[in-house]
Amino acid sequence: RKEVEQDPGPFNVPEGATVAFNCTYSNSASQSFFWYRQDCRKEPKLLMSVYSSGNEDGRFTAQLNRASQYISLLIRDSKLSDSATYLCVVNKRGSGNTGKLIFGQGTTLQVKP
Amino acid sequence: DTEVTQTPKHLVMGMTNKKSLKCEQHMGHRAMYWYKQKAKKPPELMFVYSYEKLSINESVPSRFSPECPNSSLLNLHLHALQPEDSALYLCASSQPLPGQREAFFGQGTRLTVV
Repeated sequence: RKEVEQDPGPFNVPEGATVAFNCTYSNSASQSFFWYRQDCRKEPKLLMSVYSSGNEDGRFTAQLNRASQYISLLIRDSKLSDSATYLCVVNKRGSGNTGKLIFGQGTTLQVKP
Repeated sequence: DTEVTQTPKHLVMGMTNKKSLKCEQHMGHRAMYWYKQKAKKPPELMFVYSYEKLSINESVPSRFSPECPNSSLLNLHLHALQPEDSALYLCASSQPLPGQREAFFGQGTRLTVV
């Protein structure tokens, strides 16, 4: 079983739609949680951190449920520019006090006009 | 300034060559990472340096040799690579644990081994 699991999609949605991505992680030693966005042939870019209390940044809302080991990302009012791969990332404690960023396989979003 | 700079952006090397990838950050981060990414796959961790010491090696073949000369620089020395090592090599930096530690990635070096 992968440490971080996501539905790879693709999710094809019209402009203006609301879309939700889910992610589960298997290791309870996981320390912190993030969503990254990666465009084709580019580096991953931090979209937002994910906190237990839930957090919102404009059209994006992230939630974390530590008991269920579940992370979500909600995108409202989708734009064409939201088309990308969304990566769920968990920072797990490795040896000593070192973190290991573990990536899910990514969910592809295609927003259509 | 949340920038991580990697050079070169593209590299073609033969299987008998020796080359190095370079990464630099000036965010004061004390953890630096090398990742390898193949097409349509997520990044896979190779090495982690924490406070300039190698703390994680994910069983990477010895033909990849990391080096952290100081807190701002990270190198990856390449020798006798195979064609299957062709990939996007990403450097990242963050503050070490504990706490919510966002990592920032460089643009990557796209490596082709011929």
